[in-house]
Amino acid sequence: LAKTTQPISMDSYEGQEVNITCSHNNIATNDYITWYQQFPSQGPRFIIQGYKTKVTNEVASLFIPADRKSSTLSLPRVSLSDTAVYYCLVGIYNQGGKLIFGQGTELSVKP
Amino acid sequence: GAVVSQHPSWVICKSGTSVKIECRSLDFQATTMFWYRQFPKQSLMLMATSNEGSKATYEQGVEKDKFLINHASLTLSTLTVTSAHPEDSSFYICSAKRTGITDTQYFGPGTRLTVL
Repeated sequence: LAKTTQPISMDSYEGQEVNITCSHNNIATNDYITWYQQFPSQGPRFIIQGYKTKVTNEVASLFIPADRKSSTLSLPRVSLSDTAVYYCLVGIYNQGGKLIFGQGTELSVKP
Repeated sequence: GAVVSQHPSWVICKSGTSVKIECRSLDFQATTMFWYRQFPKQSLMLMATSNEGSKATYEQGVEKDKFLINHASLTLSTLTVTSAHPEDSSFYICSAKRTGITDTQYFGPGTRLTVL
């Protein structure tokens, strides 16, 4: 299973764009990259998923370079409610879909 | 879509008793579900993979006789913590894999177990 590396924590202010980068040097050909958000005492919430290039939804954008060894989650104009832990995961979807969580990035948004 | 529920959301029990936690996929069928536990200020730790109609697959170090998993239907998996002890107190989270091109996992809200 591909191991991911993210910054342990990040600070931001309301209204700013936040970019969280995740390294996954050993990503396999069939792996997709998925980001989740988790608030305290809640289950992780799916944010976005991609394979290559750029993916955008109503919540975030995901940028994946050609070599796919890293990915960047971009949160536009964050608010206080975006304070949470963000996990980057790479899964082997054709082998049971098992996901191994890393430590995640604790994002703190300040007023 | 892609809603996963868990019941109960929290439970307090005495040491030595057994506790059952249910995980349901409400709007899709899930042949595979996963069970995680999470201690305060730590990441999620995968405990086991639950497959509908077959035995669960446990991660290394997880006692299969202590954490009984049953996946009797395409929308329900249960985790039973047998003879619970205070060290089993944790936040238990399930996820259900929605079959598709990417097999995305969707997570339940979690169950807080406190063993006295």
